[in-house]
Order: sequence, then C-alpha cells, then structure tokens
Amino acid sequence: QSALTQPRSVSGSPGQSATISCAGTNSDVGAYNYVSWYQQHPGKAPKLMIYDVNKRPSGVPDRFSGSKSGNTASLTISGLQAEDEADYYCCSYAGSYTYAVFGGGTKLTVL
Amino acid sequence: QVQLQESGPGLVRPSETLSLTCAVSGASISSYYWIWIRQPPGKGLEWIGYIYYSGSTNYNPSLKSRVTISLDTSKNQLSLKLTSVTAADTAVYYCARLMTTVATDYWGQGTLATVSS
Repeated sequence: QSALTQPRSVSGSPGQSATISCAGTNSDVGAYNYVSWYQQHPGKAPKLMIYDVNKRPSGVPDRFSGSKSGNTASLTISGLQAEDEADYYCCSYAGSYTYAVFGGGTKLTVL
Repeated sequence: QVQLQESGPGLVRPSETLSLTCAVSGASISSYYWIWIRQPPGKGLEWIGYIYYSGSTNYNPSLKSRVTISLDTSKNQLSLKLTSVTAADTAVYYCARLMTTVATDYWGQGTLATVSS
C-alpha cells in the first residue's frame, strides 16, 4: 500500500481536461509545499512534469498544472492529447526521517 | 548533456547482495544529491534513498537495515547495495539526479534486477 493515494485510472477525450488527485496526510502533502508529479510511458523512465506543487520544468507544456489544498495535491492536464496517455505518479516530501513517499500511480487514458 | 547509466547483474540469488552502479557523464557527482528509486514489474515507484557528495545519506526506513548508497568520485559514479534480497526486491532500479527536494531532472534508463534461484 502506497503512502499517497491516487485513483487507479482517469480518462478524458482529446481536447478536454483531466485531473488526478493525490491524497496524503498532514505529515507529507499537507505539511510541505514539496509535491512533484511524474509522467511515465511504458518501458520508459519517469519524467518530471511538476515540482514544488505548481512549478513546471523547462520544456513541459503549460497544459500541465499543479495545485494543493490541505492534504490533497492535484495535477490537471488541459487540452488532452494522445501523447498524454501514460501513468502519472505524485511524490511528496515527508520529513527528514522518511524523506519521500510516492503515490500508487494513475493510468491516464485519452479516449 | 547529463546522462546516467545503470548497470549490474540481471539475476541475483535469494539471500545474496544486489550490487548496482550508476555511471554519470556530463556532470560531476561532487555536486547535487543523487538518488535510487525502484519499480517492481507492473507496480509503482518506491524511493530507496539519496546521497550527497559530502557522503550524507538518507534511506527509506523500510529498507534502511539492508541498503547502502555510496559514491566513487574517481569514477564519477554512484552505487547501490541491497543485502539479503528476496523475490520482493525484484524490480527495475533507477538512478537519478535530485534537482530540488523531491524533483529529479535526469534519470538513467533503469536496470532490471531479478531475484530468483
């Protein structure tokens, strides 16, 4: 069982928006503004899409955005494209002892 | 361009030690934090731990008693050792560079380590 809870699957049609949630606790997501989101295509290494809750690395389209409310972080993908179909993982800082915890991953299907 | 390349034996016997290396090019390991993450087949990501060039380390509490991450600055590479392995340790192991607290900017392609007799 993963430390952070994500829905197993989310779907959307091309051009629509999809939101993936990441539920944690007041010891991880709720305590720090250090949440990252990773995209992983089959057989590939994960790719950083969002860090520090809502910052986008260079090269990541602005269709990807992140937010946080209380103990839950969210990744929103607007204007869905076929290439967005992938697994998405959230990751949160959890203090100096545990350091980092991942969500179980969400499979995004673009219908 | 920063590149990371994991290597190690693809098959490890139960109760033995898994040893992996990650060769880094395009950047000095004497900067940044470097991490290991693993992914069992068909499952999610698991944080293993990090190391800083100073030698400071932090390990996942669930693995802490069995894991060691180290640096070899002469070879510009980092290593992972996991002792007393079981089938549950079968996974693709990734090394990566930590950009900020839990954000990585460069990853290796991953190496599959299978624990089986």
